Amino acid sequence: DAGVIQSPRHEVTEMGQEVTLRCKPISGHNSLFWYRQTMMRGLELLIYFNNNVPIDDSGMPEDRFSAKMPNASFSTLKIQPSEPRDSAVYFCASSSFDRPSLYFGPGTRLTVT
Amino acid sequence: AQSVTQLGSHVSVSEGALVLLRCNYSSSVPPYLFWYVQYPNQGLQLLLKYTSAATLVKGINGFEAEFKKSETSFHLTKPSAHMSDAAEYFCAVSETGGKLIFGQGTELSVKP
Repeated sequence: DAGVIQSPRHEVTEMGQEVTLRCKPISGHNSLFWYRQTMMRGLELLIYFNNNVPIDDSGMPEDRFSAKMPNASFSTLKIQPSEPRDSAVYFCASSSFDRPSLYFGPGTRLTVT
Repeated sequence: AQSVTQLGSHVSVSEGALVLLRCNYSSSVPPYLFWYVQYPNQGLQLLLKYTSAATLVKGINGFEAEFKKSETSFHLTKPSAHMSDAAEYFCAVSETGGKLIFGQGTELSVKP
């Protein structure tokens, strides 16, 4: 099993640009989570999906952030427009309903200058 | 809502010494509890989990944790630290829907 796959691994962009982060969950998993990690705030849950349906997006910081899951094997997190304070590591994780453990991807390190 | 508190943002031990990382949880229902480890520039890796079976849970790399309901604790231990154990450790509690709420993390340093 390839595990959770995230791309890109690193992204450097200028303030105001659109950023799209991608995630492929583990095959057969039916829940997908987007987390953000910063030194100041630790690990924050941004949004999660069950069976491709967004369940809780209360962690999404602003309307500049949006996430989609068009099918069971792909999700995107988009920031438009990006700001320097969005700089963080963004993790995608997946799990299955019958096993409550989350499996994390390697993360995308985003730097907004 | 569930929450997790990790006592000590940084713990330093000598190689071969006991490792003890503390975690207390707050939950209105019997919780699922987890410990994850994060090595530099990597994602989080599951160490062990408690899902209401045995209260003493054994994980990978020689780590174990004991669920104590009376103390609302789930401390992580390892009898003998190894240099390769240096990393950040996160305790987490599961909420409705399967999402995990993480503690702030404890950075473990191992001195030779």
